[in-house]
Amino acid sequence: DTAVSQTPKYLVTQMGNDKSIKCEQNLGHDTMYWYKQDSKKFLKIMFSYNNKELIINETVPNRFSPKSPDKAHLNLHINSLELGDSAVYFCASSLPLGGGQETQYFGPGTRLLVL
Amino acid sequence: DQQVKQNSPSLSVQEGRISILNCDYTNSMFDYFLWYKKYPAEGPTFLISISSIKDKNEDGRFTVFLNKSAKHLSLHIVPSQPGDSAVYFCAAPYGQNFVFGPGTRLSVLP
Repeated sequence: DTAVSQTPKYLVTQMGNDKSIKCEQNLGHDTMYWYKQDSKKFLKIMFSYNNKELIINETVPNRFSPKSPDKAHLNLHINSLELGDSAVYFCASSLPLGGGQETQYFGPGTRLLVL
Repeated sequence: DQQVKQNSPSLSVQEGRISILNCDYTNSMFDYFLWYKKYPAEGPTFLISISSIKDKNEDGRFTVFLNKSAKHLSLHIVPSQPGDSAVYFCAAPYGQNFVFGPGTRLSVLP
């Protein structure tokens, strides 16, 4: 049974469109994340979110917004897509940080290509 | 500003030999470190971790060493196997986030 799943796996779309990527975890974790892996393969945090708090990386454009319908889901909405948004987006989850044994579990990634 | 650095983008090792992947960090507040392994078209998967109260953690063929004074950690894989060929990321939780290094691509040659 997949621990962290993302849909779709591939997404090809035109500039200016609005799209969503879904993420679900069945690990019972309270904290979920979105990462962007850019063309240089750096994994950069975009958001971390738990039931209480949304932490936004201030470098993330406000065209990107996370939406959490419940604890097991954190979807990523992207408005007015731009060419530079092309990347692989990873969802992850973990127990709340600060306990000293933090481990993140990652989804398989969504490969977004903006044309 | 990269707080976690992996200065070797790639490493090639013969099957059966030892692979040593290095990671340096700049933030002395980091107290827990993780290594992730990533195959193409898959998400990173957790491999091994180490707390700053230890200087070594071993799990089968994988051993992580931590030198706090040098702000350096290394992952040793012995013996290396072709299935170990992947990108390895060093990471540290900090605040509400995880900070990742840029990764090292390991190729284990048969």
